Amino acid sequence: SYVLTQPPSVSVAPGETAKITCAGNNIGSKSVHWYQQKPGQAPVLVVYDDSDRPSGIPERFSGSNSGNTATLTITRVEAGDEADYYCQVWDSSSDHRVFGGGTKLTVL
Amino acid sequence: DVQLVESGGGLVQPGGSLRLSCAASGFTISSDYMSWVRQAPGKGLEWVSIIYTGGNTYYADSVKGRFTISRDNSKNTVYLQMNSLRAEDTAVYYCARDRPTNWLDPWGQGTLVTVSS
Repeated sequence: SYVLTQPPSVSVAPGETAKITCAGNNIGSKSVHWYQQKPGQAPVLVVYDDSDRPSGIPERFSGSNSGNTATLTITRVEAGDEADYYCQVWDSSSDHRVFGGGTKLTVL
Repeated sequence: DVQLVESGGGLVQPGGSLRLSCAASGFTISSDYMSWVRQAPGKGLEWVSIIYTGGNTYYADSVKGRFTISRDNSKNTVYLQMNSLRAEDTAVYYCARDRPTNWLDPWGQGTLVTVSS
């Protein structure tokens, strides 16, 4: 089965740029989606199809995907961005959706 | 406004059964794929099951043969029938609309299932 690997944690100071990676075999050939989950809340889609943003998501959130790594980039990080972030793809061989293990973003 | 509301969670003994419901509003479930995703306490997200518009269904290996996803178009509701429940099935269960290239949006608020004696 397809495996996505994320770093358990990323820390960044307010106003700086956070990069959260998602590694998978030839992930660049897949569409990658990213979710933000704050404590006690349901996940919220922040980036889909590698780099598109749903309406209402700030331009500070962006994504890229190439080779074996996809990246979620958050610029000008704010305290309110502190959350868990998950990447997700569709594994066509099994028709399963697959999530990464999640990354906890801490704003220092 | 597109919205999903789950219900049916609760405490059940190991080996027992439970049926979760996901009521949709603002869109028609018969025109969309629908997925269930769960999250064990303190853990990450785990995809559970999907039902396609044509009725095809798929399951994670961890629940295959025990869980069944279905829908009632007249009630605009998706269900997850869970049988032979185990302690490791304890989780918050979310339903979500599954979009064309398989992103999930929106999600419901979740319903907690606790499997314990």
